[in-house]
Order: sequence, then structure tokens, then C-alpha cells
Amino acid sequence: EIVLTQSPGALSLSPGERATLSCRASQSVTSSYLAWYQQKPGQAPRLLIYGASSRATGIPDRFSGSGSGTDFTLTISRLEPEDFAVYYCQQYGSSPLTFGGGTKVEIK
Amino acid sequence: EVQLVESGGGLVKPGGSLRLSCAASGFTFSSYSMNWVRQAPGKGLEWVSSISSSTSYIYYADSVTGRFTISRDNAKNSLYLQMNSLRAEDTAVYYCARGSGGDYNFDLWGRGTLVTVSS
Repeated sequence: EIVLTQSPGALSLSPGERATLSCRASQSVTSSYLAWYQQKPGQAPRLLIYGASSRATGIPDRFSGSGSGTDFTLTISRLEPEDFAVYYCQQYGSSPLTFGGGTKVEIK
Repeated sequence: EVQLVESGGGLVKPGGSLRLSCAASGFTFSSYSMNWVRQAPGKGLEWVSSISSSTSYIYYADSVTGRFTISRDNAKNSLYLQMNSLRAEDTAVYYCARGSGGDYNFDLWGRGTLVTVSS
């Protein structure tokens, strides 16, 4: 099983600032099958990034993903008020599919 | 409208059974893999099970193998999860999610249905 470790656990930032979220895998993720999701309280998750760096439909370009192998990053270039949420990474290259523990981006 | 709507959650005693359903609309259901993901109260996301578009491939998390069964009815645009021998640790919101483009990342989610296992 591939274990995904997200860091930091929480990030306190102001609107307009840049957010950098990390997702580290315990072994290489096949074909960069790594996705990122955003979840707000009381809502279902929303797909942001798939294939490590491809934005999902309708996702603003301030969200970007990068990385390969075991190290992946989600960057939000300039935080908007609606971006404060919990973010999860997920690998889907091998079974069992696994999620990271999440990073909470909160308003400073 | 493209959507997934889960139903069937509720309160059940340990050892009991429950069947969740997910009704899909607004897209060609038979072309997509479908999945169940759960989230215990205040916790992160946990993948539960996946089924390919034609039901050729079925996968389960170790935590539910032998107790849960995923199935689908492409004629009814519906996904199911039969849950038996339920435990307290199965308490969670259960989300139905569509697999994206033949892969197992999830591009469409339902709002979820709450399953509570308690005596």
C-alpha cells in the first residue's frame, strides 16, 4: 500500500498570499497518477488536479500541480477567500487507492 | 444536470446490514468507472471500493473486503454498496464518485449519505 504524507497539517495564510502544499509517497506513484482535491465544510470533495499537473474542468489557473515519483506539490499562486479549505492528495496508480491525511489552509 | 445522489444511509446496530444506492443522471453512466469513498466524522477521506464500467474489475479496501459488495445496474444508471457485518468503525459519510476518463481519480461526487453504526 502506498502511504501518502501531506505537509504541513495546517497552513495559516492571508488572501493574496501563495500556498505551497506537499504530498510525499512511501513509494513511487505509477505514471504520476496523483490527484488533488479541495473540500469545504459540509461539502463533498472537488477534483482540482489529476495526472499530477493537469487542471480539472473549470479549475482556475491559480491552482497548479507539479512533481513525480514520490514528491508532489500543489501550489495556489494567490489565495482567494474561497480557497480556504482542506486539501487532499490521492494516488490512483495502484490498488488500494489511497488518500493523504489532508492539509487545512486557514485564514491568518 | 450532471449529478450523483446517494441514498440508503441511516442508523444500524453492530453486525447489521445496509444497502446504499447512488443514482446517476446527466451523463452516460455505463461509460464510467464508479466508486465509493467514505469519511468518518472529523476525519479524512478513505477509498472503499471501485467497479469498472463493464463490471469486469472490482476492487475493495482491505478494511471492507469480505463484508461489502459493490455492484451497478447500467440500465438503471445506479451504483450500489451492500454492507454486511457492520462495525462502529464503518460510521462515516459515504460518497459515490465517478471515475474520470477511465482512471480512478474522481471528477464528480455526490453529497454523501451518513451511515451510523451504534447500539
